[in-house]
Amino acid sequence: RKEVEQDPGPFNVPEGATVAFNCTYSNSASQSFFWYRQDCRKEPKLLMSVYSSGNEDGRFTAQLNRASQYISLLIRDSKLSDSATYLCVVKKPDSWGKLQFGAGTQVVVTP
Amino acid sequence: DVKVTQSSRYLVKRTGEKVFLECVQDMDHENMFWYRQDPGLGLRLIYFSYDVKMKEKGDIPEGYSVSREKKERFSLILESASTNQTSMYLCASSLGILDRDHQPQHFGDGTRLSIL
Repeated sequence: RKEVEQDPGPFNVPEGATVAFNCTYSNSASQSFFWYRQDCRKEPKLLMSVYSSGNEDGRFTAQLNRASQYISLLIRDSKLSDSATYLCVVKKPDSWGKLQFGAGTQVVVTP
Repeated sequence: DVKVTQSSRYLVKRTGEKVFLECVQDMDHENMFWYRQDPGLGLRLIYFSYDVKMKEKGDIPEGYSVSREKKERFSLILESASTNQTSMYLCASSLGILDRDHQPQHFGDGTRLSIL
């Protein structure tokens, strides 16, 4: 089983709609969680950290469910520029800052 | 803003060549990382370093070595390049020797390496 699993998609979303997707992680001792965004042929860029109580950054909302070991990302009022691959990232415990990356969920926002 | 700079965006080398990929960060970060990214596999950690002259193997170190002689620079070396090392290589850095929570990694632009 992969340490971080994501639905690869693509999630095809009409502009202005809401899209949400999850990521599951296998190590219950994991402590830090992030969502990164990666555009085609570009480097990953930090979108947001995920905190225990859930957090929001503009149109983006991240939630953490420790009991079920998943994190989620919700995008409201989708823009064409939100089209990208979203990487779920988990920090391995006791790991000198090493991160475990999911393979990514592709989102395609259509006009 | 954190700036992580990789020496080449695109590189073409031949099988058996020794290949050097360079990475420099300007934020005085202790941790530096080298990944490769292949379709469907996500990012896989090759090596990382948490201090000058310190290095640790990641998940796929075979065929690679690294060098960190200065804090700001982390080099990845392909000792004898092979075609299965054709990939996108990404360098990253993060703050902190201590295992702090919520310390994200910041990435360079990546190097697309083709081994012929």
